[in-house]
Amino acid sequence: GENVEQHPSTLSVQEGDSAVIKCTYSDSASNYFPWYKQELGKGPQLIIDIRSNVGEKKDQRIAVTLNKTAKHFSLHITETQPEDSAVYFCAAVRFTGFQKLVFGTGTRLLVSP
Amino acid sequence: DAGVTQSPTHLIKTRGQQVTLRCSPKSGHDTVSWYQQALGQGPQFIFQYYEEEERQRGNFPDRFSGHQFPNYSSELNVNALLLGDSALYLCASSPGGLGAFFGQGTRLTVV
Repeated sequence: GENVEQHPSTLSVQEGDSAVIKCTYSDSASNYFPWYKQELGKGPQLIIDIRSNVGEKKDQRIAVTLNKTAKHFSLHITETQPEDSAVYFCAAVRFTGFQKLVFGTGTRLLVSP
Repeated sequence: DAGVTQSPTHLIKTRGQQVTLRCSPKSGHDTVSWYQQALGQGPQFIFQYYEEEERQRGNFPDRFSGHQFPNYSSELNVNALLLGDSALYLCASSPGGLGAFFGQGTRLTVV
C-alpha cells in the first residue's frame, strides 16, 4: 500500500521567512496530493491540493510543487506569519472513485514574531 | 453552510465498554470517511461509507464498525474498548470526488 514520508518533523522560522515542507510517496499510481493544516484542538483543514497532471499550484502565500518522476511533493509558504503556526500534513490519494487519504507524519511549524 | 459536525467533542470510557460517535457531513456531501489520529501522528483511515454501505476499509479490527443513514450522516461504533483506542476520531465528508473536509473530531479517552 501507499506510504508517505514527511520532513522535517519540526520547523522553526522567523516571521517573514519562507518555510518548505517535503513529502515523498511510494505508490506511483497516486494522483491527488492535498495538504492540511491542523491547529490545536481542531480537525485538519484543507489548504491546497494538486493533481498529478499539474506540476505546480499557487494560492496567495502558499504553493505546492509535484515531481512525479521522483515521487515527491512540497509545500512552500512565503512571508510566514505567526498565525501560520500549526501542524501541517501532506497526504497522497490513489483516486479510483474511492478517496482514501494516506497521511504523512506531520510537520510542526512555529513562526516566531 | 455548516461544515462537518461531530458529536460529542470529548468522551471518557472504561476499558471493555462500547462507544458511538456521530458525524453530520457538509451539505451536499454524500461520502463519509472516518479516521483515527493518535497523539502526534497523522490520521489513519478506518473506513468510508457511501450510499449507506461500507465501501473501503483500512487496517482496523472488526471491533470498529459504522453506519450511514439516508441523510448521509454517519456513526462510528467501537466495541470492547482498549486503552490503545484512545485517540482523536475524525470524520471527513466529500462530494463523491476529490477533496475531503474534516470535522473538529471527537477526543476519546479510554481509562
